[in-house]
Amino acid sequence: DSGVTQTPKHLITATGQRVTLRCSPRSGDLSVYWYQQSLDQGLQFLIQYYNGEERAKGNILERFSAQQFPDLHSELNLSSLELGDSALYFCASSTPTVYGYTFGSGTRLTVV
Amino acid sequence: AQKITQTQPGMFVQEKEAVTLDCTYDTSDQSYGLFWYKQPSSGEMIFLIYQGSYDEQNATEGRYSLNFQKARKSANLVISASQLGDSAMYFCAMRVNFGNEKLTFGTGTRLTIIP
Repeated sequence: DSGVTQTPKHLITATGQRVTLRCSPRSGDLSVYWYQQSLDQGLQFLIQYYNGEERAKGNILERFSAQQFPDLHSELNLSSLELGDSALYFCASSTPTVYGYTFGSGTRLTVV
Repeated sequence: AQKITQTQPGMFVQEKEAVTLDCTYDTSDQSYGLFWYKQPSSGEMIFLIYQGSYDEQNATEGRYSLNFQKARKSANLVISASQLGDSAMYFCAMRVNFGNEKLTFGTGTRLTIIP
């Protein structure tokens, strides 16, 4: 157990639907990062939150949004899903004084 | 912008041999960190080793070492005495130390250890 918890582990949904992926960071970590891993795009940074505030944005589609709550868990919302959104979505957390990032085990999203 | 290049899509190595996975990077920043991650078939991302741009010595972690050549902008991963459990995807990544803290990943190398 890495200390970063992602739920659900697997998700199958239909095109046009909306899903929410959840991430609980490692205890004490203030930053949460979301990454998308797909066959054609590789590992892409989506968005970072630090202590509840959006810190950086990457290649995140307008149909996607995220937030970090006061208890520091984060949710990634994906809406109007398309077949191309099928991917492995990772959450990672880190602390400012430590160089390492801890990844969750990922949520595998399949859009059918 | 940062860029990571891994030119070996796949490698086959005999068990117990050493293997070098190539990684070159591009950045205009002076302060940055380089990472290697292992992704087995189960999908999780496992941190292997870290090298800071100002670290004078190459990083080592057990059987993993990082051959850091700053002038050539390369950060190759060396795995000594490979084991069957080393079969996995390996990703090189970097982060600049000021500003955006995101990791930029390479495309990965699939390593297969042959018994």
